[in-house]
Amino acid sequence: AQSVTQPDIHITVSEGASLELRCNYSYGATPYLFWYVQSPGQGLQLLLKYFSGDTLVQGIKGFEAEFKRSQSSFNLRKPSVHWSDAAEYFCAVGPPYNNNDMRFGAGTRLTVKP
Amino acid sequence: DVKVTQSSRYLVKRTGEKVFLECVQDMDHENMFWYRQDPGLGLRLIYFSYDVKMKEKGDIPEGYSVSREKKERFSLILESASTNQTSMYLCASSPGGSGGAGQFFGPGTRLTVL
Repeated sequence: AQSVTQPDIHITVSEGASLELRCNYSYGATPYLFWYVQSPGQGLQLLLKYFSGDTLVQGIKGFEAEFKRSQSSFNLRKPSVHWSDAAEYFCAVGPPYNNNDMRFGAGTRLTVKP
Repeated sequence: DVKVTQSSRYLVKRTGEKVFLECVQDMDHENMFWYRQDPGLGLRLIYFSYDVKMKEKGDIPEGYSVSREKKERFSLILESASTNQTSMYLCASSPGGSGGAGQFFGPGTRLTVL
């Protein structure tokens, strides 16, 4: 069965500092991988996704993520964090054959210090 | 842009009341989902529907039912609300066919059961 682990429940970074949010997945083959962001009181917005090709994918709002098959990881990064990036971030894994059976991590809450 | 709307952002109900949560999507998506989001638990799938009048149980269907009479509308029903159903409820939709599109989320309904 597929599953996602986000080891960090809460991360605090200073504005302007770099950010890396960790995501590890379990899946029998190469899955489709996603990062979503949820601002306070809002639904989830898709940041980026990976399913083949270049293992470094670019997303919206200046985010990128790198797929590492050997580590079963799909970590999210941003070189310089802005106060508006404070939100909850969810990693998700899904099978290549449909969009139904997605599994979400428990989320990482990001706090940005001024 | 895909738009998923939910009928209420905030809802307060009393124990034992019947509660309806409505979700509408405007992108002609085949699949629609209801999730429950609780701190530390991430998103848990309650039910999903892959076609009109079709539904599948998710991970936590107990105490809930759903209805999909039209392709664009998916309703979540709490037959007799209980305090342990106080939560954030997220609706999502996705296209049919192969994976990769991900799911598109509404803004959520925060339900409080007193």
